[in-house]
Parts: sequence; structure tokens; C-alpha cells
Amino acid sequence: DAGITQSPRHKVTETGTPVTLRCHQTENHRYMYWYRQDPGHGLRLIHYSYGVKDTDKGEVSDGYSVSRSKTEDFLLTLESATSSQTSVYFCAISEPVGTGVNEQFFGPGTRLTVL
Amino acid sequence: AQRVTQPEKLLSVFKGAPVELKCNYSYSGSPELFWYVQYSRQRLQLLLRHISRESIKGFTADLNKGETSFHLKKPFAQEEDSAMYYCALRPRYGGSQGNLIFGKGTKLSVKP
Repeated sequence: DAGITQSPRHKVTETGTPVTLRCHQTENHRYMYWYRQDPGHGLRLIHYSYGVKDTDKGEVSDGYSVSRSKTEDFLLTLESATSSQTSVYFCAISEPVGTGVNEQFFGPGTRLTVL
Repeated sequence: AQRVTQPEKLLSVFKGAPVELKCNYSYSGSPELFWYVQYSRQRLQLLLRHISRESIKGFTADLNKGETSFHLKKPFAQEEDSAMYYCALRPRYGGSQGNLIFGKGTKLSVKP
């Protein structure tokens, strides 16, 4: 497995509380991504980063913010968690298109339950 | 609009039977296409990419530009093939370089 870890791996929280998920990589890849995985929806992109302090929105970014202050870390924050954000969250990394590395490598996932 | 469609949520076959997981895409240019697999409670991992035209674990997939399809096939299914399979598209050009567009996934169940 590529050197990608996510923390925490499981979290249960209450509606209205802030939550931060961390993705850490040791591969020095430039691109990092946050997806959520839900039954019947597959994987949907929340936010992505194309470099330190460079981030952009994905398909389902409402209610989420991200930060990337170092190459190796990409944080996903739910400012005020809602039950609709109960999901499995996956981080992924890749190199830019054209570098010959076409693959996205995925982390192990974080299972978040919002009560 | 860029879109990946996997019409089957669940595909159930018996061991030794042929398997075909369907994937259709909508993209105006020439995309890159991938199949990712997720075994139970594990991370997603790349299975195939159309560029390399390889066979992994007995699976193959051919890009059919005329039918805009990238179906995944295996002649003889094994129980260990049971997993969730995702087809994904990556546009070759545009601002969101590297971003993958995933289908909703097909759960393959191979019965003994």
C-alpha cells in the first residue's frame, strides 16, 4: 500500500459539533483528494488540493472545508456536523497528469457517524 | 456533462461462470478510464487502466469509443473476486487535472 494514513479510522460524534479528519502521506505526491463513499452514490469528490495551500472544490463541497499547510497533510473539516455527513471518507493522492503516474492511491478510510 | 454509468448495483454469479461488469461513460473528448476494486472493508485499489491494456487477476477491459463503454470481463469468476467494483473516468484536459469521476459501483458476488 502507498504510504497513506487516515486518522481517526472511526469516529462517532453529535450533530452540531466540529470534526476534523486527517490524511497523511509519505509519498510526496502533489495532489491530494477527499472523497465520501455512500451506498447508491459511489465515491464523490469533496475537495482536492494541487499543492500546499492550493485547494479547490469538488462535487459535494457544501458543509466541508479543507486545509493543506504541508505537502504531507490534508485536513478535512466539518464545521458543524450533520447526520447527512455520516459516511465513509477516503483520502487519495496522485501526481499531476503527464508525469506518467496515472494512478490515484487511496487511504484506508474513516468511518464517521453523526448522531 | 462528464458522467460514468454502471447500470448494475449488484451482480451475482456462480464460481466458474463468466463475468461482465458494465461501464458506460459520457465525455466529449478522449478520456482515460480505470477500474478500481474494493474488497470488503479495504481501501480502493487500482485494478486496470485502459492505457496499459493489461490483464490483472484474469480481468480485462477494452475501451470501445463507438459505444462509449469500458466493460470489465473475466471468463471464469472466482469467489475471491467478490468485491465492489468502480469504473472511473479522468478527463485528459481541463482545470481539474487528475480528478476522477466515479460510477456508483457494482457489487460482485461470486457464489460457490
